[in-house]
Amino acid sequence: GAGVSQTPSNKVTEKGKYVELRCDPISGHTALYWYRQSLGQGPEFLIYFQGTGAADDSGLPNDRFFAVRPEGSVSTLKIQRTERGDSAVYLCASSLGAGSYEQYFGPGTRLTVT
Amino acid sequence: AQKVTQAQTEISVVEKEDVTLDCVYETRDTTYYLFWYKQPPSGELVFLIRRNSFDEQNEISGRYSWNFQKSTSSFNFTITASQVVDSAVYFCALSKRNGNQFYFGTGTSLTVIP
Repeated sequence: GAGVSQTPSNKVTEKGKYVELRCDPISGHTALYWYRQSLGQGPEFLIYFQGTGAADDSGLPNDRFFAVRPEGSVSTLKIQRTERGDSAVYLCASSLGAGSYEQYFGPGTRLTVT
Repeated sequence: AQKVTQAQTEISVVEKEDVTLDCVYETRDTTYYLFWYKQPPSGELVFLIRRNSFDEQNEISGRYSWNFQKSTSSFNFTITASQVVDSAVYFCALSKRNGNQFYFGTGTSLTVIP
């Protein structure tokens, strides 16, 4: 079956602009995660959804970052007033549940803020 | 607090050599899960293995094997008879039972030279 998909694959935006990054998880996966990966680093947790609700958003760096998953499937990560430090690869993952289940990752969206 | 350390930043081996990637973790939980992921140049993280904290039996899958030792908090990964296609960044990750996120190490970049 289809894996996790993310769009766009690349996004270049100017400092101060608003961006939306989309994630389409594996069908049937109730858990969805967003991570951010900077060059030479491992993925860093941003937010976790179980169904439609954000069960844990403790990794969001500040209030410019927000994510939704209105119907329990597709999720959108929203970044307001982008800064150059937001440049990174944003990864989405989904799993059958939290904790013990392996997470399946999408290809990521490379965000560049100029 | 949860932490994963991958002390080897970069490793180069000649094809057909064996190579071991180290992973040391920290957690106060008694139930937890350990994972290895491969990130090839294409960028998408590929799940390799999951191990729970109560199962210290080593596992072998083809040329891959994993050595889990709770006494030293290590979960090392060995590739036997390495191949060029094994060139990638490998990440070790830790998850708590019912946890909402993976804690990733910083990764080990493996280059297999033909």
